[in-house]
Formats: sequence, structure tokens, C-alpha cells
Amino acid sequence: QKEVEQNSGPLSVPEGAIASLNCTYSDRGSQSFFWYRQYSGKSPELIMSIYSNGDKEDGRFTAQLNKASQYVSLLIRDSQPSDSATYLCAVMSSTLGRLYFGRGTQLTVWP
Amino acid sequence: NAGVTQTPKFQVLKTGQSMTLQCAQDMNHNSMYWYRQDPGMGLRLIYYSASEGTTDKGEVPNGYNVSRLNKREFSLRLESAAPSQTSVYFCASSDQGIPLYGYTFGSGTRLTVV
Repeated sequence: QKEVEQNSGPLSVPEGAIASLNCTYSDRGSQSFFWYRQYSGKSPELIMSIYSNGDKEDGRFTAQLNKASQYVSLLIRDSQPSDSATYLCAVMSSTLGRLYFGRGTQLTVWP
Repeated sequence: NAGVTQTPKFQVLKTGQSMTLQCAQDMNHNSMYWYRQDPGMGLRLIYYSASEGTTDKGEVPNGYNVSRLNKREFSLRLESAAPSQTSVYFCASSDQGIPLYGYTFGSGTRLTVV
């Protein structure tokens, strides 16, 4: 059983702050990692993917990967109320070639 | 450019009724998936099809059947609906040859079984 664990939240930050979302995984052979954003009542939307150790930046979003620690994180800089959503961490199984999802962290950004 | 299309968007069933959820993708993806999402439980895989002509069970297959009709279409059938199957169902697709692209999800079907 592949495990993907996220800090359960909810996480609440003020507008303009940095939101930090964390994820750990059990499959040491995993090579691809994803962050999805899901607004209430909507479907998950891919916002970041990463497969190399280190940081990957895309606008206000930074994904960080540490394979030795089996840890993935997502930083949202200058958080906006429109960032309020549930964020899902997903890990590609090294053996089955499909994604395993965490349960998500609900983020609220208040004005 | 529709992506992944699911029908219907909403459905209410009585216990014991049957229904089929339809999913179609126009991205020429090989792999397709059916998930259910319940509060506090995240996304749980019901069935998936790695390629046309193959289907496999996921984490929660009991009470469901699937058909990969062709490369574009992957349907999910509830033979005898139960209240425990009240959930939001998502279909997704992916190109397994490009792992960094992840999955593309449909808009979901909100199913209530009474």
C-alpha cells in the first residue's frame, strides 16, 4: 500500500503571507510528484509537477522535493484569497505507474 | 478542446437501482481512471484502464464494474446502488508516456443514493 500523507489542516494565512503545504510519501522509488488545487465543488487541477531534488518555481508557486527524506512541499508566496482551496499531493507509483493521492490540505487565505 | 467529459453531472438513485457513468476524453490518452471522493477520505481509485482493452481494480472496486469501450471512452457501472456509494465521482485520463503531465480530470458526477 502506497502512502501519501499531508498535514491535515485546515491552514489559515493572511493575504500576502507565505503558505506552506507539506507531504510525505512511503514509496522510495517514486520519481514524479504533483500538486493539485481543488476549489470547492470543482475537480482537481494540476498546478505543479516536479521530479528532481530541489526547488521548482512557477510564478508565486514553488515546489520543493527531497527524495532522501521522501518529502514534497508547496510554497505559495504572496497568498491571495483566490488561493483558498484544497491542495492535493500526488505521487507516481514506481511499480504501478499510477498516482497515489494524499487526503488534501484545506487552505484559507483571509483578507 | 473539451479534455475529459463526464455525464451526468448530478444523479439521484434509489437503493437497488443501476446506472452507468460515462466518461470520454479527446486527448488521445492511453490511460483512464475512475475515482470517488468522499469528505475526509481524499481521492480513492475504483478502477483504471492502463490501455485500450485492459482494466484493473483499484482500492475500492466492490459494487462497481467498468468498460473501456474504445480509446476515448471509459464507463463506470453501479449494478445495484447502495447509500454507501453516495459520493462525487471523477474520471481522469493520462498519457503514461509523459509522466510529468499527471492526470486531467473531468468535472465530476455528484451521485446521491437514497
